[in-house]
Amino acid sequence: KAGVTQTPRYLIKTRGQQVTLSCSPISGHRSVSWYQQTPGQGLQFLFEYFSETQRNKGNFPGRFSGRQFSNSRSEMNVSTLELGDSALYLCASSVEKRGETQYFGPGTRLLVL
Amino acid sequence: AQSVTQPDIHITVSEGASLELRCNYSYGATPYLFWYVQSPGQGLQLLLKYFSGDTLVQGIKGFEAEFKRSQSSFNLRKPSVHWSDAAEYFCAVGAGSYGQNFVFGPGTRLSVLP
Repeated sequence: KAGVTQTPRYLIKTRGQQVTLSCSPISGHRSVSWYQQTPGQGLQFLFEYFSETQRNKGNFPGRFSGRQFSNSRSEMNVSTLELGDSALYLCASSVEKRGETQYFGPGTRLLVL
Repeated sequence: AQSVTQPDIHITVSEGASLELRCNYSYGATPYLFWYVQSPGQGLQLLLKYFSGDTLVQGIKGFEAEFKRSQSSFNLRKPSVHWSDAAEYFCAVGAGSYGQNFVFGPGTRLSVLP
């Protein structure tokens, strides 16, 4: 089975721009979660989608949003980028049973200048 | 609120030596606990997980972890470290209504001396 894929792998943007990141989950996985990883804050949960609905949301401003499509693929969007949004954004997928393992993609590294 | 602590930011061991990485969690219900490893520039790879049952869990690459409810701990061990084990290790607890909101510890960076 193919793993979780994320595109693009690297991005450079300037402050004030917006960005969209994409995630394709493992086939058969319907839950997709997004995490932000920075040296200062570590790994932080952004949100989780299941069956095109956001089920959980972390403590991030409204500039961070996401969606999930009927094929379980997910996108996250960050509007009005700030320097502090520079991070590795990780997507993870899992089956929908409670306590199931999340399988992570390689991440998208975003640099905001 | 759920939280995970990893007291050791950086550990250095010699190749062939044993390893123990500490993890403590705070969670109200029965926890789902995970250890992941991350190599530089890579995503996270699952080493092992505790769901229920036997408190000693075996994982990949020769790693094991022991769940101790009384100590709220889930320490990761390996009897003999290889140079390729140098990486960052994260302990996590599955939280949220559906267990899909993972709360991660700050990570422990492992260096291996030849």
